[in-house]
Amino acid sequence: AQSVTQLDSQVPVFEEAPVELRCNYSSSVSVYLFWYVQYPNQGLQLLLKYLSGSTLVKGINGFEAEFNKSQTSFHLRKPSVHISDTAEYFCAVSVDAGGTSYGKLTFGQGTILTVHP
Amino acid sequence: NAGVTQTPKFRVLKTGQSMTLLCAQDMNHEYMYWYRQDPGMGLRLIHYSVGEGTTAKGEVPDGYNVSRLKKQNFLLGLESAAPSQTSVYFCASSPETLARPNTEAFFGQGTRLTVV
Repeated sequence: AQSVTQLDSQVPVFEEAPVELRCNYSSSVSVYLFWYVQYPNQGLQLLLKYLSGSTLVKGINGFEAEFNKSQTSFHLRKPSVHISDTAEYFCAVSVDAGGTSYGKLTFGQGTILTVHP
Repeated sequence: NAGVTQTPKFRVLKTGQSMTLLCAQDMNHEYMYWYRQDPGMGLRLIHYSVGEGTTAKGEVPDGYNVSRLKKQNFLLGLESAAPSQTSVYFCASSPETLARPNTEAFFGQGTRLTVV
């Protein structure tokens, strides 16, 4: 079974500072990796995803993430954050199980990013 | 575009009461899911459906039932609500299994349920 660990429950930063939200996963099979963002009182929105190929993935709103297979990590980064980036961020994995598997999406615990002026 | 719509958005129940949460999607997706979100625990899968007329248990199915009588709708029922079911419930849909590349889950805006 796969699992996801987000290493920081809360990350406070000042506006225009860089940020990294950490995500580690464990799985015995190949995985697909996702970052979702949840703005206050809203549903989840896909930020970016890694399926295969280049290990550096670019997403919406200037975010990017790097897949590191040897460290089983998929950290999310942004070089300069804005107040509007304040939200909760979720890392998630689904396994490449083939066949008719429904592809369970397993979420991490979430990281609350708070951007201060 | 409506996408995934959840009804209601907020609800307060007394212990022992029953209710049904409705999820509707207009994207003709085969797969639908119900998750609950609790602080510090991320999202956990309650039940899911891989097509009209099918349902299956997820990680935390106890105390919930579901039905998928129409492809576009996925209903989540609580027969006898308990305070432990206080949570935010999210419905999601995907065109096919999430185990395949180039597919993703689309989420509704959530239902905040409080059981007192």
